[in-house]
Amino acid sequence: EVLMTQSPATLSVSLGDRATLSCRASQNVTSDLLWFQQKPGLPPRLLIHGTSTRATNVPARFSASGSGTTFTLTISSLQSEDSAIYCCQQYNNWPPTFGQGTKVEI
Amino acid sequence: EVQLVESGGGLVQPGGSLRLSCAASGFTFRNYWMSWVRQAPGKRLEWVATVKTDGNEKYSVDSMKGRLTISRDNAKNLVYLQVNSLRADDTAVYYCARGFRPVDFWGRGTLVTVS
Repeated sequence: EVLMTQSPATLSVSLGDRATLSCRASQNVTSDLLWFQQKPGLPPRLLIHGTSTRATNVPARFSASGSGTTFTLTISSLQSEDSAIYCCQQYNNWPPTFGQGTKVEI
Repeated sequence: EVQLVESGGGLVQPGGSLRLSCAASGFTFRNYWMSWVRQAPGKRLEWVATVKTDGNEKYSVDSMKGRLTISRDNAKNLVYLQVNSLRADDTAVYYCARGFRPVDFWGRGTLVTVS
């Protein structure tokens, strides 16, 4: 099973700041990596799939990159509504596995 | 509007069974693989099972094999998860999700408490 490790656990930032979140896979997952946003009481919301493709209606301030085992999600110019937990997930190997999440506090 | 609405969760005794349902709407259900994912309190998300568009291919995680069955009814736009021999560590919010590689939409989840 592929272990996904995210860092940092918590990121405290200010409005308008840039946030950089990391996700590492224990083995090569090629570009089969997605990011989603999770807020209390709401279902997860897909942000990025295929490592860097924004999902429908996701603002352009969300961008992502990486390949293989190292991936990054960047949120430029943080807005108040971006306060959430961000998780990565690989879907290259069975079973798909998730990171433990990075909490972004604004 | 895409909607996935889970139901069937609740309090169940250890050793019991539950059948979770997920009602899909707002998209052509038969064209999508469907999956179940769960999240135990304070834990990361965990994949549970996936079923292909026509229901003829099914995958489930090794840790739950033999105890669960995923199925779907394309005529009713429903996907099911039957879990047997429930244990305390099955306590979690169970999410229905559209897709597999990747999942692109999630339901709000249904809470299963085994106690």
